[in-house]
Amino acid sequence: GNSVTQMEGPVTLSEEAFLTINCTYTATGYPSLFWYVQYPGEGLQLLLKATKADDKGSNKGFEATYRKETTSFHLEKGSVQVSDSAVYFCALRGAGNTPLVFGKGTRLSVIA
Amino acid sequence: NAGVTQTPKFQVLKTGQSMTLQCAQDMNHEYMSWYRQDPGMGLRLIHYSVGAGITDQGEVPNGYNVSRSTTEDFPLRLLSAAPSQTSVYFCASSYLLDTEAFFGQGTRLTVV
Repeated sequence: GNSVTQMEGPVTLSEEAFLTINCTYTATGYPSLFWYVQYPGEGLQLLLKATKADDKGSNKGFEATYRKETTSFHLEKGSVQVSDSAVYFCALRGAGNTPLVFGKGTRLSVIA
Repeated sequence: NAGVTQTPKFQVLKTGQSMTLQCAQDMNHEYMSWYRQDPGMGLRLIHYSVGAGITDQGEVPNGYNVSRSTTEDFPLRLLSAAPSQTSVYFCASSYLLDTEAFFGQGTRLTVV
């Protein structure tokens, strides 16, 4: 079945540091890939997405590229801010009527 | 624009009690789903629906029932609460399967 594996947290970075959160997936066919973010006490919200190989999703300075050859969708940001502190979830939606499948989440803490 | 509304936000139940978690969306989305979020486990799918009158089981359906009599509402019923059902529950909806999923604020349930 479809599955997502993302790096274990927590990740603690200083402000303006470079961020990478690794995400790899297993799926048949051509899934759509997503990154969701959960701020403290809130529900999840979509951060970015990519629907086909080599697509790059981007939003709020975050980027991720859909790499079919390595089945990866790593999240990156060049310079993190304290306000980026949150839990980040990688997710995929497979072909057909299949629901979203989430990774376990990575907690990011950014300190000033 | 309310989006996805979950009630209640917090609930404490005794073992064996039953209750219904409410979820309503005002975006005319066909697709709705329920997840539970547990530490170190990410989000796991309980049940989902691709339209009124159609529901299906997710990864962890035991102990939960759902129905979808209208497009707007997708309640989750706990038949006989158990301490293992202590969790944060999220409802989500989307217009199509490949479009952004919108999440409610969550219901924090404690079973004692």
